[in-house]
Amino acid sequence: GAVVSQHPSRVICKSGTSVKIECRSLDFQATTMFWYRQFPKQSLMLMATSNEGSKATYEQGVEKDKFLINHASLTLSTLTVTSAHPEDSSFYICSARDRRLKTYNEQFFGPGTRLTVL
Amino acid sequence: AQSVAQPEDQVNVAEGNPLTVKCTYSVSGNPYLFWYVQYPNRGLQFLLKYITGDNLVKGSYGFEAEFNKSQTSFHLKKPSALVSDSALYFCAVRGLTYSGAGSYQLTFGKGTKLSVIP
Repeated sequence: GAVVSQHPSRVICKSGTSVKIECRSLDFQATTMFWYRQFPKQSLMLMATSNEGSKATYEQGVEKDKFLINHASLTLSTLTVTSAHPEDSSFYICSARDRRLKTYNEQFFGPGTRLTVL
Repeated sequence: AQSVAQPEDQVNVAEGNPLTVKCTYSVSGNPYLFWYVQYPNRGLQFLLKYITGDNLVKGSYGFEAEFNKSQTSFHLKKPSALVSDSALYFCAVRGLTYSGAGSYQLTFGKGTKLSVIP
């Protein structure tokens, strides 16, 4: 149980194009999903938090117009990188929290998406 | 604000020997602590968590962690290392920032690369 998938696992795009990354909770409903960015040999940096049906809350320094997050259902959140540039190349990871669990913020992580912008 | 420190970038251990990956934390109030493991180009996998109760927490794959309140530490341990344990390990603490729907953010340490030598 508690499986989170991400699609695509790897994407290469040209500079200036937009890329959409999907995060799905496969066997549970996720009230909250988190989006992280990870640079090589570095830790995960939280980009934004999204609750189903609400606007995402972005961390300081993350451009909301560049990283569009939609959490339209309890099993799907999407991150769209708009007008991507090479510096947006990174490993993007989502996590989800099971609405049934009363435990203290146990998050289930997706396998990540490697974005390369040429 | 909460923080997590993993003082070692890399830990090398011979197969069959005990391993320890160190973590110290700083947080207001009672700490909720987590360990995750990440294999190359993969998302994070949950290992174990400490919420309350017994200071020695047992988790997945034979790992355990010892919570020490006086030293504000939560070191990850395993009695006998396997080559397959080689990965990147992250310690995390639940933050105080409420994200809605019963969720809180996680703050991660920078990670420790564990290499188990055959």
